[in-house]
Amino acid sequence: QQQVKQSPQSLIVQKGGISIINCAYENTAFDYFPWYQQFPGKGPALLIAIRPDVSEKKEGRFTISFNKSAKQFSLHIMDSQPGDSATYFCAAWRSSNTGKLIFGQGTTLQVKP
Amino acid sequence: EAQVTQNPRYLITVTGKKLTVTCSQNMNHEYMSWYRQDPGLGLRQIYYSMNVEVTDKGDVPEGYKVSRKEKRNFPLILESPSPNQTSLYFCASSYTGVGGYTFGSGTRLTVV
Repeated sequence: QQQVKQSPQSLIVQKGGISIINCAYENTAFDYFPWYQQFPGKGPALLIAIRPDVSEKKEGRFTISFNKSAKQFSLHIMDSQPGDSATYFCAAWRSSNTGKLIFGQGTTLQVKP
Repeated sequence: EAQVTQNPRYLITVTGKKLTVTCSQNMNHEYMSWYRQDPGLGLRQIYYSMNVEVTDKGDVPEGYKVSRKEKRNFPLILESPSPNQTSLYFCASSYTGVGGYTFGSGTRLTVV
């Protein structure tokens, strides 16, 4: 049972374009939604995160949009750069359960120069 | 430097030969966890620990054991490895349980 579903599986964007990755979750008990960025040969690194009481969070070129009623959230990368080429994972955490962080399947982003 | 250290980085072993992957963190984090990463399946949680002597199963615990005798260490034990445990493994730790995990660099395990 996949509790966090992520799409698309892969994405190719031109330099300067907007990259959009979508995630949907099932369990309304989730209360923390981070995004991770992973480069080849490295472990995932926390990129940006949001709580369900906020509809949008922006950090530099990265923005999370959150729709609580639809149980969906998305990552937008503005002015995408070749250095953004990586695998991106959305995740969901239920703080009351502590320790259990569930990931989506991942999206491989390629930004063409 | 604050980090999560896993060893070894690469390991090739044979079916049935017990092995241990070590994990250590120097950030005084209470929470630690093990994940495996497989193409198309993302990161799946194997076990997690909220503190010393407190562990719980993740989504794919079968065939794995863990122990948390010290706060900084969280080894992953494969008592009888099988080829379907060939994967990329990550250890991670977190201070509060919320705020995200900090991941190690990974251990690529091949079981033949």
